[in-house]
Order: sequence, then structure tokens, then C-alpha cells
Amino acid sequence: AQKITQTQPGMFVQEKEAVTLDCTYDTSDPSYGLFWYKQPSSGEMIFLIYQGSYDQQNATEGRYSLNFQKARKSANLVISASQLGDSAMYFCAMSTMDSNYQLIWGAGTKLIIKP
Amino acid sequence: GVTQSPTHLIKTRGQQVTLRCSSQSGHNTVSWYQQALGQGPQFIFQYYREEENGRGNFPPRFSGLQFPNDSSELNVNALELDDSALYLCASSLIGQGYGYTFGSGTRLTVV
Repeated sequence: AQKITQTQPGMFVQEKEAVTLDCTYDTSDPSYGLFWYKQPSSGEMIFLIYQGSYDQQNATEGRYSLNFQKARKSANLVISASQLGDSAMYFCAMSTMDSNYQLIWGAGTKLIIKP
Repeated sequence: GVTQSPTHLIKTRGQQVTLRCSSQSGHNTVSWYQQALGQGPQFIFQYYREEENGRGNFPPRFSGLQFPNDSSELNVNALELDDSALYLCASSLIGQGYGYTFGSGTRLTVV
């Protein structure tokens, strides 16, 4: 079965600190992609970062990096120097060739940045 | 980008609703997702070349259309209270597995 697990329902982090959001995945497909999205209260899904299963290096996009540990099937999001505007829901998602590239989503983590 | 309309609507149980999505220019695939309050999105179905190209665990009263200009509709018949959710549309290129562009969603409330 293909599944995404996010075990942190909510997190409080002090402004300017780094934060790690956990994500584990389960698939038997050797070809897959892993995504992180940010969803503010307005509802739109904002793409943050992508990691392909065959990528050798961890993906980075500005303050966002993805800690990809293939053997452990984990794809944690690291946000460096958090800002008040980072407060939102964060979703980990996966696409696989076997599932015709539909996105499979975790339950999300609500991140609140404290001033 | 991807445009969805309307942004909000309220319907009565048993009614029918049509949600619309305009894909990003150059994309040929559109997917629809249902996101209940406090949950992650669930895949409803995907359309490519005006045909359904994959479906999640949703009943047949959820149906869709994709038009030659790559715009799309999601139709839900016989609305139930549990259909209340945020409906998200995403466009992409077939077979890529990345590069999804999402719309801002339609919030449907069924009363």
C-alpha cells in the first residue's frame, strides 16, 4: 500500500529558529517523487520543494531543504530561520508511476511560529 | 496559473453542483482533490485528452469533464453533508510526476 505518514499534528517554534517537519512514506515503486506543500488559511496549495527517488542529492529551495533518507523512507522538511509568515499547514505528498502519478497526501502538520 | 470558480458556495443536500477549473497554459492533465476540514487532500480523478485517466475511491455521483481548451469541470450529484470540503484542482503534464500547479480551491458547504 502507498502511504504518507506525518506524525506531528502541530508544532510551535520560536521565530528565527530552524524547524524540521517529519514525513515517512511507503511504496514499492522504485520510481516516485516526494513533495512538500504549504497551505495557508486561505486554502491554496503552495509548492515548496520536490525530491525524485533517483536524485542523489537532497533538494534545496532557498530556506527549505528536504532531508531525504531513502533507506529509512523518510523525507523531512527543514525550514531554516523561521519567519512569522511560515505559520501554516504543511503537507507531505508522494507521486508514483504505479499510481499514474496521482498525489498521495499525509494528514499535515500545523506549524505556528511564535514571535 | 490555475483558476478555480467559484471560490465559495453553499448548496442544499440533494442538489447538484458544478465546479470549474482553468488549467495552466501548456498543461494537458487536470486532477481534482477533495480536502475535508483538518485532513489532507484525497484524489478524486484525473483527466487527460478529455478522458478519465485514473480515479480514487469516490462514488459515481462524482463526475468530471475536460474540454479541448484544457479547462475542466467537477460535477457532484445528490449532494450529501459529507461532501462539504475544499475542492482543489491541479494541472500538470501527463507522465511527469512533478510540476503540479494548484488552484486556490472552491469551498463547498452542504447544508
